[in-house]
Amino acid sequence: QQQVKQSPQSLIVQKGGISIINCAYENTAFDYFPWYQQFPGKGPALLIAIRPDVSEKKEGRFTISFNKSAKQFSLHIMDSQPGDSATYFCAARTGTASKLTFGTGTRLQVTL
Amino acid sequence: DGGITQSPKYLFRKEGQNVTLSCEQNLNHDAMYWYRQDPGQGLRLIYYSQIVNDFQKGDIAEGYSVSREKKESFPLTVTSAQKNPTAFYLCASSMSGLAKYEQYFGPGTRLTVT
Repeated sequence: QQQVKQSPQSLIVQKGGISIINCAYENTAFDYFPWYQQFPGKGPALLIAIRPDVSEKKEGRFTISFNKSAKQFSLHIMDSQPGDSATYFCAARTGTASKLTFGTGTRLQVTL
Repeated sequence: DGGITQSPKYLFRKEGQNVTLSCEQNLNHDAMYWYRQDPGQGLRLIYYSQIVNDFQKGDIAEGYSVSREKKESFPLTVTSAQKNPTAFYLCASSMSGLAKYEQYFGPGTRLTVT
């Protein structure tokens, strides 16, 4: 049972454009929603995260938008750069053990 | 350098053999995790440990075993009972407690079983 659904599976954006990746969840017990960035052959690295009592969080070119009633959240990458080309995973946390449930990932390619 | 180390980076085994993947952290984190990553399936939790000498099964624990004898070490054994062991294995750690969210990941071990 997939508790966090992520779309699209892949995304091609021109340099300078906006990349948007969407995630939806079902479990209302989730209390923390991070986004991870992963380059080929490397481990994921935390990019930005949000708690459900906040509707938006911005860090540089990266913004999370969170809609608690719709149980959806999204990552926006403004002014996308070729160096942003990577796989992005949304995740949701539950429980005191900080267990994360991951989406299936979005492979982003930023073209020149 | 602080962080998580996983060794080896690439591992090849014959079917029917058990294999142990190493994970070491010097971040003084209480909690450690093992994930499996397959193309198109994201990361799936195999086992996790919040404290030394204690660990719990994740979503796909069948065919795997772990131990947590030291705070900084959390080795994963892929047994011959695991039907599809070829995958990219990631170890992570975090501080424990409700206010401690971020999981830090190691560089991963790519296991190929033929």
